[in-house]
Amino acid sequence: SAVISQKPSRDICQRGTSLTIQCQVDSQVTMMFWYRQQPGQSLTLIATANQGSEATYESGFVIDKFPISRPNLTFSTLTVSNMSPEDSSIYLCSTNPTGTDTQYFGPGTRLTVL
Amino acid sequence: KQEVTQIPAALSVPEGENLVLNCSFTDSAIYNLQWFRQDPGKGLTSLLLIQSSQREQTSGRLNASLDKSSGRSTLYIAASQPGDSATYLCAVEETSGSRLTFGEGTQLTVNP
Repeated sequence: SAVISQKPSRDICQRGTSLTIQCQVDSQVTMMFWYRQQPGQSLTLIATANQGSEATYESGFVIDKFPISRPNLTFSTLTVSNMSPEDSSIYLCSTNPTGTDTQYFGPGTRLTVL
Repeated sequence: KQEVTQIPAALSVPEGENLVLNCSFTDSAIYNLQWFRQDPGKGLTSLLLIQSSQREQTSGRLNASLDKSSGRSTLYIAASQPGDSATYLCAVEETSGSRLTFGEGTQLTVNP
């Protein structure tokens, strides 16, 4: 299994500002995934982050809006830039530990943009 | 493009009832299917993972089946309890290490 922590757990931000969300895994993993869950909706993948390479973004998500860092095999950050109320969502990171196909998720970061 | 649908969107049952949640997917070429539980405002907890070569998986009161050719999976919950109240999500992974495509979820309420 994997234990994943995220910081912050929640935040309320002003329009136009940026927030960086941290994701820490208790073991080394190859890929980390960042998802968004808008209110009342299911999860949508934002991007996949591999250590040592640029993140791969899904259709509708761009690096300027959601820059991602992956400095090592246990850590990643997602920044939500120039926020608007439409960015109010829960942001979750996930990964599957080496040797298993089961995806483990962090507890999520609940973001509210005013 | 893979699409995942879950029926029903919401379900309310009395405690002790057995129930079935349904999940369907449009592209049968999947690597695996996972069922998750999400409590309000929380992250996801993995319940069961079924590989594409498997027909079912069981964990305690939960049993998940997979019919890959017809693009369907069911999650059976036996003897439901109020603590089972949560949103249940199914997700398919099309290739190893790729992203998960999620359904919209079934919001389950088990009444004491």
